[in-house]
Amino acid sequence: KNQVEQSPQSLIILEGKNCTLQCNYTVSPFSNLRWYKQDTGRGPVSLTIMTFSENTKSNGRYTATLDADTKQSSLHITASQLSDSASYICVVSDRGSTLGRLYFGRGTQLTVWP
Amino acid sequence: EADIYQTPRYLVIGTGKKITLECSQTMGHDKMYWYQQDPGMELHLIHYSYGVNSTEKGDLSSESTVSRIRTEHFPLTLESARPSHTSQYLCASSGPPFGGNTTSTDTQYFGPGTRLTVL
Repeated sequence: KNQVEQSPQSLIILEGKNCTLQCNYTVSPFSNLRWYKQDTGRGPVSLTIMTFSENTKSNGRYTATLDADTKQSSLHITASQLSDSASYICVVSDRGSTLGRLYFGRGTQLTVWP
Repeated sequence: EADIYQTPRYLVIGTGKKITLECSQTMGHDKMYWYQQDPGMELHLIHYSYGVNSTEKGDLSSESTVSRIRTEHFPLTLESARPSHTSQYLCASSGPPFGGNTTSTDTQYFGPGTRLTVL
């Protein structure tokens, strides 16, 4: 069964600190992996996307890594800000469908305190 | 900022009412989707569309129906709402960058969601 597991479920950090969120997946075949940020009461917004051949991708203070061999990804947030408080969702797409079928993790709820 | 809109943003209705959740996008995307999301849970695909007059059911069984008469519009209808339908409904669309070709890496752009509560 194709699955996407994220850890931790929730995380609280102080403003200015760094943190790393984890994503493990069993989706096969594999096309790409995305990290989305979802603010409370809003729709998810794409942060990064990585294909099989990419092992790191940055978007400002967000850096995602991908190890396609171990089927693991991480999202590192540097110098956290209050506005980083949100749910971060790992989404994996398989290669088996023209629809680009997506498998969603449950997200990590990040809270940044001042 | 993605040009995809949902109305209403919040809706509280009584059991048995018929409702339509609106979704529209101005990006010219062929593919559109409806997801259902409960608090702390993953998104579940309930409907999708490849283009005009094309609709398919998603992974999660849903009593809702959809239509795709125009490219930019993908409304979702519940004929008789029940408390079990209480949830957040997210609409999304995907397509290639302007002038480009569709690929498996096309990003899905999400609307702000409709928070539905059925009493």
